[in-house]
Amino acid sequence: AQSVTQLGSHVSVSEGALVLLRCNYSSSVPPYLFWYVQYPNQGLQLLLKYTSAATLVKGINGFEAEFKKSETSFHLTKPSAHMSDAAEYFCAVRPGGSQGNLIFGKGTKLSVKP
Amino acid sequence: GAGVSQSPSNKVTEKGKDVELRCDPISGHTALYWYRQSLGQGLEFLIYFQGNSAPDKSGLPSDRFSAERTGGSVSTLTIQRTQQEDSAVYLCASSLRAGGSGANVLTFGAGSRLTVL
Repeated sequence: AQSVTQLGSHVSVSEGALVLLRCNYSSSVPPYLFWYVQYPNQGLQLLLKYTSAATLVKGINGFEAEFKKSETSFHLTKPSAHMSDAAEYFCAVRPGGSQGNLIFGKGTKLSVKP
Repeated sequence: GAGVSQSPSNKVTEKGKDVELRCDPISGHTALYWYRQSLGQGLEFLIYFQGNSAPDKSGLPSDRFSAERTGGSVSTLTIQRTQQEDSAVYLCASSLRAGGSGANVLTFGAGSRLTVL
């Protein structure tokens, strides 16, 4: 069965520091991978998606993620954190084929200290 | 509409009552999904609809939960005889289609927060 594991339910960084949010997946077929962000009291917003076109994917707000098949990982990074990045981040996998729903990780809450 | 609309945004009910949550997807999106978000549990898939195909109900936690989608557009999630453990945020999403070879992007609504007393 497909699954997503996000290491660390809470991550805290200082403003200007590197952001690294970890995501590992398991899938029996080449997956489609996503990162979503949820700001307080809002729905989920797509940050970026991996569709096999390129292993390094750039998203909105300066975020990017790299697909590493050998490590079954899709970690999210941003070189310099901003206070406005404080939110909860969810990694998700769509296994491919006919199955349409996404399987989400439990989320990582990012705090940014001034 | 421009986005996915959900109502009510907040619902407080008593244990044992039935509740209905509504989702209005983006116009033209053929796929519609329901997820449940509980504190510390991430997003739990409940059900999805794709066009006129039979819905994938594999995530519904019990027979107290049901959903329908009328006319390929608006969907209603119904929870019968609510229990306290049903308290959560229920999120609806839609996409152009489900499955296939593309990475179909889900667009989410703001959610309906359900509190069962």
